[in-house]
Amino acid sequence: DSGVTQTPKHLITATGQRVTLRCSPRSGDLSVYWYQQSLDQGLQFLIQYYNGEERAKGNILERFSAQQFPDLHSELNLSSLELGDSALYFCASSSYPGTSVDNEQFFGPGTRLTVL
Amino acid sequence: TQLLEQSPQFLSIQEGENLTVYCNSSSVFSSLQWYRQEPGEGPVLLVTVVTGGEVKKLKRLTFQFGDARKDSSLHITAAQPGDTGLYLCAGDQGGKLIFGQGTELSVKP
Repeated sequence: DSGVTQTPKHLITATGQRVTLRCSPRSGDLSVYWYQQSLDQGLQFLIQYYNGEERAKGNILERFSAQQFPDLHSELNLSSLELGDSALYFCASSSYPGTSVDNEQFFGPGTRLTVL
Repeated sequence: TQLLEQSPQFLSIQEGENLTVYCNSSSVFSSLQWYRQEPGEGPVLLVTVVTGGEVKKLKRLTFQFGDARKDSSLHITAAQPGDTGLYLCAGDQGGKLIFGQGTELSVKP
C-alpha cells in the first residue's frame, strides 16, 4: 500500500459526458501528479500540482483540467469524453521538491475509465 | 517523441535464468527510477539512482546508472515467477518523470 488513494476504482460512462477522478496523496506529500496509461501510449504525464499550485504540465488535453485543494487532495476533471479517453488514470504523490532531493513518486491504485 | 527507450519490450524466460533490461536515452537525467507494475495496479517504486556509474542492489535485482546519466540497466539473477510484471524506467527532467514504454517480463516455472 503506497498510501495514495484514488476513487473511484472503475468508471463507465458515455461519450460527451464529464467525470471527476479524486486522489488523496500520502501524508506529508505536497506534490500530486496525474498520469494516463493506455496500451498504445504507455504512461504519460498529464499535470503536477505542488501545494495547491500548478507546477508542471505535460500532454494534457484542453478538455481535461485538474486542481489541488487546501487539504492537498486533487481532482482530475475530464469533459466531453471521447472513446479514446478510455484508459487507466493514475495519481502519484511525492515530497519533491520540498523535503526530497529525488523525485520519487508513489502511485495510487488507479481509476479505470471506460467510455462507451 | 519517446525520450526513453526500453528493451526488450517483451521477455519470456524460465525460472532460474538471468536477464537484463535496458533503458536508453539521448537526454541527461538528474535521477532515474525503476518501477514494477502488475496488471490493474499502480507502479511500485523499486529504486532510484542518482549518481553516474551508481550501482544499487535489491536482493536479486541489480540496477546501474550510466556514467553520463543517460541510460540505466536492470539485471535480475535467477528469476522467479514472482518477478513477472511490467518493469518501467522513468527519468527525471526538471521535476517531470518521463517513462519508458516498459518491459513485460514473464517468468515461467
